[in-house]
Amino acid sequence: AQSVTQLDSQVPVFEEAPVELRCNYSSSVSVYLFWYVQYPNQGLQLLLKYLSGSTLVKGINGFEAEFNKSQTSFHLRKPSVHISDTAEYFCAVSGTGNNRKLIWGLGTSLAVNP
Amino acid sequence: GAGVSQSPSNKVTEKGKDVELRCDPISGHTALYWYRQSLGQGLEFLIYFQGNSAPDKSGLPSDRFSAERTGGSVSTLTIQRTQQEDSAVYLCASSGDQGFTSYEQYFGPGTRLTVT
Repeated sequence: AQSVTQLDSQVPVFEEAPVELRCNYSSSVSVYLFWYVQYPNQGLQLLLKYLSGSTLVKGINGFEAEFNKSQTSFHLRKPSVHISDTAEYFCAVSGTGNNRKLIWGLGTSLAVNP
Repeated sequence: GAGVSQSPSNKVTEKGKDVELRCDPISGHTALYWYRQSLGQGLEFLIYFQGNSAPDKSGLPSDRFSAERTGGSVSTLTIQRTQQEDSAVYLCASSGDQGFTSYEQYFGPGTRLTVT
């Protein structure tokens, strides 16, 4: 079985400050890792993913994440946030085989303040 | 191109009634997923269709829930004898079948179900 833990339910931050949203996972098999973003009153949008290759992956809107297999983590980072980054962020894992259902963390609410 | 569409966007129903939620995936996508998002449980997987294979129903919470996919495209999620705990946003996603892109799921806007 797989599980995902997002360590912070809420993260308040000032505009132009750096931010890190933490995600840890548990799995007995290899996984692929994802971050999705949900802006207020909008649907889920894929932010970035780790499938293979470089453990540092870059996504949309200046976000990046690093896959750390030994620590079973996939933390999301941005060096300088904007007001428009205010949203709910979800970390998720899937298996690497045929079954691609996503197992989700509970989400982190990022609030960027001026 | 057109994304994943879902209907209705909002549904209010009385406890005990049956409801049907519809999902139109992105054209050409062979995989289709249903999830639900609720305040207490976060995002939960419900069911997954991949091509002509038997669906993975492991996430359906009870036998009141069922889903079908006709012609490898449109899907309907049916909830019978709705209960108040069924109130949630029901999300549909689809993905293609080409290499790594098959792991990228594209989500619809969801159907907000309220059971009174």
